[in-house]
Amino acid sequence: GQQVMQIPQYQHVQEGEDFTTYCNSSTTLSNIQWYKQRPGGHPVFLIQLVKSGEVKKQKRLTFQFGEAKKNSSLHITATQTTDVGTYFCAEDNYGQNFVFGPGTRLSVLP
Amino acid sequence: DGGITQSPKYLFRKEGQNVTLSCEQNLNHDAMYWYRQDPGQGLRLIYYSQIVNDFQKGDIAEGYSVSREKKESFPLTVTSAQKNPTAFYLCASSIELNTEAFFGQGTRLTVV
Repeated sequence: GQQVMQIPQYQHVQEGEDFTTYCNSSTTLSNIQWYKQRPGGHPVFLIQLVKSGEVKKQKRLTFQFGEAKKNSSLHITATQTTDVGTYFCAEDNYGQNFVFGPGTRLSVLP
Repeated sequence: DGGITQSPKYLFRKEGQNVTLSCEQNLNHDAMYWYRQDPGQGLRLIYYSQIVNDFQKGDIAEGYSVSREKKESFPLTVTSAQKNPTAFYLCASSIELNTEAFFGQGTRLTVV
């Protein structure tokens, strides 16, 4: 079946430092979604990427879809304590169901 | 307010009993999903429904059953056949299959 790799598994940063999580697929994807789950909460949709090489920004968050549509990244500039949580990618393999990655758990030290 | 509601938030059951988790949405979404999340893990798909009166097995359907008799409701039954039922269960809905998903608050099921 489709394998979704996400690295790193955990990341501890000092407030103000940058953070990046990577999502890699074994297959070419039609699109990819990113979600954030706060501790004790439920996943909340952040963005969907569809086009090869696409880059989208949401304030301090930058999302990128690889040229080959096999990988994606989420970069947070100057992290804040409100960024704490687990970031999941979810991959759509051309009509099959979205498969969620294992997530990257971000801790931000004040 | 529009949204997706799961109840209850916490649920305790004795081993060997079936239990049904509720999921209701008033977003007029066609697609609905059930996921299981274990501590420190990602989300695994149990069942999904593309439209009313239709549903399909996900990756870990064994020991679970669902129904989709109404567009707004997608209850999940955890049967006694599920070997490790203790987990956090999340329901979600989307306008259509594999578009932006809206999640409920989740039900934390503990089987003792």
